[in-house]
Order: sequence, then C-alpha cells, then structure tokens
Amino acid sequence: DAKTTQPTSMDCAEGRAANLPCNHSTISGNEYVYWYRQIHSQGPQYIIHGLKNNETNEMASLIITEDRKSSTLILPHATLRDTAVYYCIVRVPSSGDKLTFGTGTRLAVRP
Amino acid sequence: DGGITQSPKYLFRKEGQNVTLSCEQNLNHDAMYWYRQDPGQGLRLIYYSQIVNDFQKGDIAEGYSVSREKKESFPLTVTSAQKNPTAFYLCASSNRAGTVRYEQYFGPGTRLTVT
Repeated sequence: DAKTTQPTSMDCAEGRAANLPCNHSTISGNEYVYWYRQIHSQGPQYIIHGLKNNETNEMASLIITEDRKSSTLILPHATLRDTAVYYCIVRVPSSGDKLTFGTGTRLAVRP
Repeated sequence: DGGITQSPKYLFRKEGQNVTLSCEQNLNHDAMYWYRQDPGQGLRLIYYSQIVNDFQKGDIAEGYSVSREKKESFPLTVTSAQKNPTAFYLCASSNRAGTVRYEQYFGPGTRLTVT
C-alpha cells in the first residue's frame, strides 16, 4: 500500500470549513483513498473514500487532484465534536484487507 | 442494533499472566481484525481473519494468539511472551476483500494495563 504524508496537527474555528490535506505521491492506479477519524479513546470511524472523482457524503467531501498524488478532506462546518485524529489511507481493496494507519492529523476545533 | 462489542473496556493484569480480550460482531462480516495502539501512535495490525477457522499474522503478531471458531467472535490472547502488553486494543470487522466500499467497523476498544 502507498505511503501517505499528513500534517501532524491543525486547528480551525467552529463553524468554519476544515481542510485536511494528504499527500500520496506514490499511489498506484488501482489504489483508493480512504479517510477515517478517531475521537479520543474510541475506535476509528470511517468517513469517506474515493478513487479519482470527488466524493461527498453526509459527513464530508473528498477532493482528489487530477494526478491523484494528493487529496483533501473537507469538513464543511466543523463542530467541537469533530475534534479528532484524522487518518488518510491508500490501499487496493484486494491487497489482503489490511489497513495501514499512520499517525494522522490531530484536528482541534476552537470555539 | 448491529455493531462490534469489546469487553471489558479496562483490564488490569499482573506481569506474566495471559489475558484474553473479547470481540464480538453481529454485522455478519466475514473479516475481523485486531489492532494495537500506543499513546500518540497510529494503529498497528496484530492479526486478521478473513473467514472462520483461518487467520493470518499482521505486522506485530509476536506474543499474541487468536482463534476464529465462530464468524461472530475473534478473541485475542495476550501472552506472557509479549514484552510490552500495555496498550489500547481495537477490534474491527469488514466485508470480504473485493468489495470496493470496504469499511472497517471498529469496536470501542479495550485498554489493557499490565504491571
């Protein structure tokens, strides 16, 4: 699975959009981009995933660059409950079902 | 109410004792996983099982053992051979490989402290 690079920490104001970047310059053509988040002392939670098209669901939007070497997770109106560690993972669904979690980005939402 | 349960939430053991962590899911998922998380670190895969009666070692399997006798259950035993067993242990499950959506659903975790 391709390696990802994320900033260690970020913050944003409550009610504003939070934009979390992820670099995955070695991603291969059949690897998907997945985002999970982990609120303190809880299990990780799936947020969204995509291959090359931008994706949106009730939680967030995922913007993938045309060359697929980077992506951005957007939380359109961050709330205090969005404070968590956000993990960007790239993988091939057929590569043995394993997820490789890095250290992620610690997002702090300020009141 | 479907989901994954792990028990207990907190577990304390003396050094040298084996301890078994429970993980049960009622999502009808074929695959189940065990991860370990240390403070300030990401998750590391211990063992995973894609089907009943079959399991594979993950990245840090030494000192751990698992069984998968039932689809719903995937208990993890932390043996006395595990040098640094104190950690937060997370169980997860998912549909089989090849399903693109491939979400892993995680349990609430068990925090194990060995003294």
